[in-house]
Amino acid sequence: QLQLQESGPGLVKPSETLSLTCTVSGDSISSSSSYWGWIRQPPGKGLEWIGTIYHSGSTYYNPSLKSRVTISVDTSKNQFSLKLNSVTAADTAVYYCATAPPMTTVINWGQGILVTVSS
Amino acid sequence: QSALTQPASVSGSAGQSITISCTGTSSDVGSFNLVSWYQQHPGKAPKLMISEVTKRPSGVSNRFSGSKSGNTAFLTISGLQAEDEANYYCCSYAPTSTFGVLGGGTKLTVL
Repeated sequence: QLQLQESGPGLVKPSETLSLTCTVSGDSISSSSSYWGWIRQPPGKGLEWIGTIYHSGSTYYNPSLKSRVTISVDTSKNQFSLKLNSVTAADTAVYYCATAPPMTTVINWGQGILVTVSS
Repeated sequence: QSALTQPASVSGSAGQSITISCTGTSSDVGSFNLVSWYQQHPGKAPKLMISEVTKRPSGVSNRFSGSKSGNTAFLTISGLQAEDEANYYCCSYAPTSTFGVLGGGTKLTVL
């Protein structure tokens, strides 16, 4: 059964870099045809797509975050990661890692991790 | 691409039926039968309720149904129960997207 688990610091200081990792079990990132990515949800607000990576390394980012975001894959650990730099309080959110096959909208979600940006 | 448009909130009494709309464009909802609906309770990850406009995953109550007309998709919940109170998000495939285009979400209140 496919499972995704986010990990990383729950508190990040303003202007620093938010770094999260998603560990995948039940599927292999390197051989899967699925997309792997991140979606966030500020407190009390809706879902916002951050970006996606394909096993080939191709990346796709939300234009509003593109200048600050990097998503990468470590196939040896079956993990993918998110880095968001120069964070502000507006980046406080629950961050979900997720996966979906191409040409579908059937998204498998991690449980989510709350990241608070505060000094 | 722009987010899909959903009403901010809907409400209904227990036992009644409600319908949530999700309006996109001819480039997404209108062109593909690839619309999903997700239910999200506070503090939980979204849960898939409907895929491909009308398909219910195993384990989802048959009180939930989906449909589409033109550029708008609909989620109907019949026989409302207290446990249905949650936020609902639609998501449509679009050629320029990877996970799809998300709606802004609708808060369902069961009176």
